[in-house]
Amino acid sequence: SQKIEQNSEALNIQEGKTATLTCNYTNYSPAYLQWYRQDPGRGPVFLLLIRENEKEKRKERLKVTFDTTLKQSLFHITASQPADSATYLCALVRTDSWGKLQFGAGTQVVVTP
Amino acid sequence: SQTIHQWPATLVQPVGSPLSLECTVEGTSNPNLYWYRQAAGRGLQLLFYSVGIGQISSEVPQNLSASRPQDRQFILSSKKLLLSDSGFYLCAYRGGITDTQYFGPGTRLTVL
Repeated sequence: SQKIEQNSEALNIQEGKTATLTCNYTNYSPAYLQWYRQDPGRGPVFLLLIRENEKEKRKERLKVTFDTTLKQSLFHITASQPADSATYLCALVRTDSWGKLQFGAGTQVVVTP
Repeated sequence: SQTIHQWPATLVQPVGSPLSLECTVEGTSNPNLYWYRQAAGRGLQLLFYSVGIGQISSEVPQNLSASRPQDRQFILSSKKLLLSDSGFYLCAYRGGITDTQYFGPGTRLTVL
Protein backbone atom coordinates (compact mmCIF):
# COMPACT_ATOMS: atom_id res chain seq x y z
CA SER A 1 0.00 0.00 0.00
CA GLN A 2 1.03 3.59 -0.48
CA LYS A 3 2.97 5.21 2.34
CA ILE A 4 2.86 8.98 2.61
CA GLU A 5 5.43 10.83 4.68
CA GLN A 6 5.21 14.38 5.87
CA ASN A 7 7.56 16.01 8.33
CA SER A 8 6.09 15.35 11.75
CA GLU A 9 8.03 18.16 13.38
CA ALA A 10 6.35 21.53 13.46
CA LEU A 11 7.79 24.14 11.15
CA ASN A 12 8.39 27.39 12.99
CA ILE A 13 8.90 30.33 10.68
CA GLN A 14 9.09 34.06 10.94
CA GLU A 15 6.46 36.20 9.32
CA GLY A 16 7.40 37.21 5.79
CA LYS A 17 9.57 34.17 5.15
CA THR A 18 8.77 31.24 2.89
CA ALA A 19 7.60 28.00 4.46
CA THR A 20 8.38 24.83 2.54
CA LEU A 21 6.68 21.54 3.36
CA THR A 22 7.50 18.14 1.95
CA CYS A 23 5.27 15.22 1.01
CA ASN A 24 6.97 11.98 -0.01
CA TYR A 25 5.24 8.83 -1.16
CA THR A 26 6.60 5.37 -1.69
CA ASN A 27 4.82 3.47 -4.41
CA TYR A 28 2.83 4.40 -7.46
CA SER A 29 2.64 7.95 -8.70
CA PRO A 30 -0.94 9.17 -8.54
CA ALA A 31 -2.72 11.02 -11.31
CA TYR A 32 -2.85 14.02 -9.00
CA LEU A 33 -1.90 15.11 -5.55
CA GLN A 34 -3.81 17.45 -3.29
CA TRP A 35 -2.97 19.75 -0.39
CA TYR A 36 -5.34 20.62 2.43
CA ARG A 37 -5.21 22.98 5.37
CA GLN A 38 -6.56 21.98 8.77
CA ASP A 39 -7.09 24.36 11.68
CA PRO A 40 -7.42 22.98 15.22
CA GLY A 41 -10.83 21.45 15.83
CA ARG A 42 -11.92 21.87 12.22
CA GLY A 43 -12.19 19.73 9.12
CA PRO A 44 -9.52 19.97 6.41
CA VAL A 45 -10.04 22.52 3.67
CA PHE A 46 -8.91 21.88 0.11
CA LEU A 47 -6.19 24.25 -1.12
CA LEU A 48 -4.56 23.03 -4.30
CA LEU A 49 -4.43 20.12 -6.69
CA ILE A 50 -1.55 19.32 -9.01
CA ARG A 51 -1.65 16.76 -11.79
CA GLU A 52 1.13 14.34 -12.65
CA ASN A 53 1.90 16.19 -15.88
CA GLU A 54 2.18 19.54 -14.10
CA LYS A 55 5.46 20.57 -12.57
CA GLU A 56 4.15 23.52 -10.64
CA LYS A 57 0.86 25.09 -9.58
CA ARG A 58 0.26 28.44 -7.94
CA LYS A 59 -2.59 30.03 -6.06
CA GLU A 60 -1.99 33.44 -4.56
CA ARG A 61 0.90 32.96 -2.09
CA LEU A 62 0.83 29.18 -2.37
CA LYS A 63 2.95 27.11 -4.73
CA VAL A 64 3.01 23.36 -5.18
CA THR A 65 5.48 21.28 -7.14
CA PHE A 66 5.19 17.64 -8.11
CA ASP A 67 8.14 15.46 -9.03
CA THR A 68 7.03 11.96 -9.98
CA THR A 69 10.65 10.84 -10.38
CA LEU A 70 11.47 11.76 -6.80
CA LYS A 71 7.97 10.78 -5.67
CA GLN A 72 7.73 14.08 -3.90
CA SER A 73 5.61 17.18 -3.69
CA LEU A 74 6.73 20.46 -2.16
CA PHE A 75 4.30 23.00 -0.78
CA HIS A 76 5.45 26.58 -0.40
CA ILE A 77 3.83 29.46 1.46
CA THR A 78 5.52 32.67 0.41
CA ALA A 79 5.43 35.88 2.46
CA SER A 80 4.00 33.84 5.33
CA GLN A 81 1.60 35.43 7.78
CA PRO A 82 0.51 34.41 11.29
CA ALA A 83 -2.88 33.53 9.76
CA ASP A 84 -1.12 30.80 7.78
CA SER A 85 -0.48 28.91 11.02
CA ALA A 86 -2.22 25.55 10.66
CA THR A 87 -1.54 21.92 9.82
CA TYR A 88 -1.10 21.13 6.14
CA LEU A 89 -1.98 17.71 4.77
CA CYS A 90 -1.10 16.16 1.47
CA ALA A 91 -3.37 13.56 -0.08
CA LEU A 92 -3.11 11.11 -2.94
CA VAL A 93 -5.94 9.42 -4.75
CA ARG A 94 -5.94 5.70 -4.21
CA THR A 95 -5.85 3.23 -7.07
CA ASP A 96 -8.89 1.39 -5.67
CA SER A 97 -10.52 4.72 -6.06
CA TRP A 98 -14.23 5.54 -5.73
CA GLY A 99 -12.71 8.90 -4.99
CA LYS A 100 -10.88 7.63 -1.95
CA LEU A 101 -7.90 9.60 -0.79
CA GLN A 102 -4.99 8.63 1.37
CA PHE A 103 -3.79 11.43 3.62
CA GLY A 104 -0.44 12.14 5.15
CA ALA A 105 -0.33 12.89 8.86
CA GLY A 106 0.31 16.56 8.16
CA THR A 107 2.89 19.13 9.09
CA GLN A 108 2.10 21.92 11.53
CA VAL A 109 3.25 25.39 10.50
CA VAL A 110 3.64 28.12 13.10
CA VAL A 111 4.25 31.63 11.79
CA THR A 112 5.44 34.10 14.38
CA PRO A 113 5.25 37.89 13.98
CA SER B 1 -23.48 25.80 -3.49
CA GLN B 2 -22.83 22.67 -1.52
CA THR B 3 -22.69 22.54 2.25
CA ILE B 4 -22.07 19.72 4.64
CA HIS B 5 -23.31 19.47 8.20
CA GLN B 6 -22.39 17.25 11.09
CA TRP B 7 -23.85 16.85 14.53
CA PRO B 8 -23.34 16.83 17.32
CA ALA B 9 -20.23 18.99 17.45
CA THR B 10 -19.00 17.37 20.65
CA LEU B 11 -20.02 14.27 22.51
CA VAL B 12 -18.92 12.61 25.73
CA GLN B 13 -20.11 9.03 26.13
CA PRO B 14 -19.41 6.24 28.62
CA VAL B 15 -17.80 3.01 27.51
CA GLY B 16 -20.41 0.55 26.32
CA SER B 17 -22.96 3.16 25.30
CA PRO B 18 -24.35 3.44 21.76
CA LEU B 19 -23.35 6.08 19.23
CA SER B 20 -25.03 7.85 16.38
CA LEU B 21 -23.34 10.62 14.40
CA GLU B 22 -25.10 12.25 11.53
CA CYS B 23 -23.86 13.93 8.38
CA THR B 24 -25.98 15.66 5.77
CA VAL B 25 -25.03 17.29 2.52
CA GLU B 26 -26.93 20.02 0.69
CA GLY B 27 -26.67 21.29 -2.84
CA THR B 28 -25.56 18.10 -4.54
CA SER B 29 -27.18 14.82 -5.48
CA ASN B 30 -25.83 11.29 -5.23
CA PRO B 31 -22.50 12.33 -3.75
CA ASN B 32 -19.80 9.91 -2.70
CA LEU B 33 -19.65 10.21 1.07
CA TYR B 34 -16.88 9.31 3.49
CA TRP B 35 -16.42 8.91 7.24
CA TYR B 36 -12.95 9.53 8.69
CA ARG B 37 -11.53 9.37 12.18
CA GLN B 38 -8.61 11.44 13.31
CA ALA B 39 -6.92 10.49 16.56
CA ALA B 40 -5.06 13.23 18.44
CA GLY B 41 -1.98 14.28 16.47
CA ARG B 42 -2.60 11.65 13.84
CA GLY B 43 -3.65 11.53 10.24
CA LEU B 44 -7.06 10.84 8.79
CA GLN B 45 -8.18 7.23 8.79
CA LEU B 46 -10.90 6.36 6.32
CA LEU B 47 -13.60 4.33 8.06
CA PHE B 48 -16.44 4.01 5.55
CA TYR B 49 -17.42 5.26 2.16
CA SER B 50 -20.68 5.21 0.26
CA VAL B 51 -21.44 5.66 -3.42
CA GLY B 52 -25.21 5.63 -3.02
CA ILE B 53 -28.22 4.90 -0.84
CA GLY B 54 -27.73 1.67 1.09
CA GLN B 55 -24.25 1.14 -0.38
CA ILE B 56 -21.61 1.09 2.32
CA SER B 57 -18.04 -0.13 2.18
CA SER B 58 -15.94 -0.58 5.28
CA GLU B 59 -12.25 0.16 5.30
CA VAL B 60 -11.21 -1.30 8.63
CA PRO B 61 -12.83 -3.91 10.86
CA GLN B 62 -14.11 -2.33 14.05
CA ASN B 63 -17.17 -1.98 16.20
CA LEU B 64 -18.47 0.91 14.12
CA SER B 65 -21.02 0.74 11.33
CA ALA B 66 -22.39 3.19 8.81
CA SER B 67 -25.66 3.61 7.00
CA ARG B 68 -26.98 5.78 4.21
CA PRO B 69 -30.74 5.88 4.51
CA GLN B 70 -31.12 8.85 2.16
CA ASP B 71 -29.13 10.25 -0.72
CA ARG B 72 -27.63 13.08 1.30
CA GLN B 73 -27.53 11.51 4.75
CA PHE B 74 -24.72 9.42 6.16
CA ILE B 75 -24.81 8.00 9.67
CA LEU B 76 -22.04 6.51 11.77
CA SER B 77 -23.10 4.20 14.57
CA SER B 78 -21.90 1.90 17.25
CA LYS B 79 -23.79 -0.43 19.57
CA LYS B 80 -21.13 -0.33 22.29
CA LEU B 81 -18.39 2.26 22.39
CA LEU B 82 -14.82 1.45 23.34
CA LEU B 83 -12.25 3.81 24.81
CA SER B 84 -10.33 3.54 21.54
CA ASP B 85 -13.28 5.02 19.67
CA SER B 86 -12.42 8.46 21.03
CA GLY B 87 -11.36 10.88 18.32
CA PHE B 88 -12.40 13.51 15.86
CA TYR B 89 -14.91 12.18 13.33
CA LEU B 90 -15.15 13.84 9.98
CA CYS B 91 -17.64 13.39 7.18
CA ALA B 92 -16.73 14.40 3.64
CA TYR B 93 -18.20 14.39 0.18
CA ARG B 94 -16.43 14.12 -3.12
CA GLY B 95 -16.60 17.11 -5.39
CA GLY B 96 -16.03 16.99 -9.13
CA ILE B 97 -13.90 14.58 -11.11
CA THR B 98 -10.62 15.21 -9.34
CA ASP B 99 -11.62 13.48 -6.11
CA THR B 100 -11.31 16.66 -4.08
CA GLN B 101 -13.04 16.14 -0.78
CA TYR B 102 -15.03 18.66 1.18
CA PHE B 103 -15.24 18.11 4.88
CA GLY B 104 -17.82 18.84 7.50
CA PRO B 105 -17.01 20.60 10.77
CA GLY B 106 -16.44 17.32 12.59
CA THR B 107 -17.59 15.70 15.83
CA ARG B 108 -15.27 15.46 18.80
CA LEU B 109 -16.07 12.18 20.58
CA THR B 110 -14.68 11.39 24.01
CA VAL B 111 -15.35 7.95 25.43
CA LEU B 112 -14.83 7.71 29.18
